[in-house]
Amino acid sequence: DTEVTQTPKHLVMGMTNKKSLKCEQHMGHRAMYWYKQKAKKPPELMFVYSYEKLSINESVPSRFSPECPNSSLLNLHLHALQPEDSALYLCASSQERTGSYNEQFFGPGTRLTVL
Amino acid sequence: AQKVTQAQTEISVVEKEDVTLDCVYETRDTTYYLFWYKQPPSGELVFLIRRNSFDEQNEISGRYSWNFQKSTSSFNFTITASQVVDSAVYFCALSVVTDSWGKLQFGAGTQVVVTP
Repeated sequence: DTEVTQTPKHLVMGMTNKKSLKCEQHMGHRAMYWYKQKAKKPPELMFVYSYEKLSINESVPSRFSPECPNSSLLNLHLHALQPEDSALYLCASSQERTGSYNEQFFGPGTRLTVL
Repeated sequence: AQKVTQAQTEISVVEKEDVTLDCVYETRDTTYYLFWYKQPPSGELVFLIRRNSFDEQNEISGRYSWNFQKSTSSFNFTITASQVVDSAVYFCALSVVTDSWGKLQFGAGTQVVVTP
């Protein structure tokens, strides 16, 4: 099973809402990633988890809060977002961190709209 | 610092034409990895290929082929006999082993439009 799943596919939320994005993989990968992608731009790394511990936070605002409950699951909790946070949020996983020659497998993404 | 340049913003071809996507990278590291990903309109990035800096062999996979040339710091991608399903954004990416977390440095992407 070489699949990363993400839910929901689409999410519309107001600036005062709290919501969560969910990512799941069953490939036994030990590194998981959150990316943000704006239209016509490449993905931007937000967070990296390795062995369920947060390893990289790319100076992401605190209104984005990641969580890794176990080795297969990765959540992104959203609170008090701004309209400019509207984007495609992609989850990825790799066997280890990418520098170890392992490619990242991406999920289909959650398209987030903040009103 | 690492950098990846995909100078072609968009390429439009008619079905069955060949299309070549350029990727030029910059790094001072001697050990690094290069990747190509495809992003169709559905949004998911699909891994296509990985190359390490010590392997300059070109690779062919079906209609896809890759030309890696360290002398020019390029890792170009050719789609032979393009099909409508090849319409997507293609990203070239670089990671270096000295970056402790192997962060992927993406190029800006090239939109390929294949018309029937």
